[in-house]
Amino acid sequence: DAKTTQPTSMDCAEGRAANLPCNHSTISGNEYVYWYRQIHSQGPQYIIHGLKNNETNEMASLIITEDRKSSTLILPHATLRDTAVYYCIVRGQGGKLIFGQGTELSVKP
Amino acid sequence: EAQVTQNPRYLITVTGKKLTVTCSQNMNHEYMSWYRQDPGLGLRQIYYSMNVEVTDKGDVPEGYKVSRKEKRNFPLILESPSPNQTSLYFCASRPGQFLTEAFFGQGTRLTVV
Repeated sequence: DAKTTQPTSMDCAEGRAANLPCNHSTISGNEYVYWYRQIHSQGPQYIIHGLKNNETNEMASLIITEDRKSSTLILPHATLRDTAVYYCIVRGQGGKLIFGQGTELSVKP
Repeated sequence: EAQVTQNPRYLITVTGKKLTVTCSQNMNHEYMSWYRQDPGLGLRQIYYSMNVEVTDKGDVPEGYKVSRKEKRNFPLILESPSPNQTSLYFCASRPGQFLTEAFFGQGTRLTVV
């Protein structure tokens, strides 16, 4: 199963874009990258996923490098409610979601 | 509203007293799973089920049982709880094994004394 590496923590000013990086250098050609977030011990919440192309939905944008070894989740206008732990996940064998330690994002006023 | 419902949300019990944490989803999803979350260890999969009557072990199945008699329900059973099973538990469901968005329950905080 491909592993992911994320910074432990990041800060972002309210209203600014939050850019959360993720390295997944061992990803294979048919593995998707998923992003989830967890707000203070609540159940994780799906954000977005992608394979090769950049993706955008109402919550965020996902930028995947051409070699697919890394990706960036972008929250275009972060709010205080976006403070959470963000997980970058490469779907493992059998469809299992393997959660790493994630990035703790603090959005500050 | 699409949701995964876990009960109870909080539970304190004593070592060895059998307990069941229920999980129910209203989205007709085939794939359901249980995770536990511990400080410094992240979320780890306990058991999963790809459909009715089909269950399999995840990464940390010891001390747990599950059953999947109906599509909507996936209870987690601790036959003889021990203090090292004190944890935050999450149930999740999604449409299929390789399909995308997983929905998680609100969690069950279990303390075994």
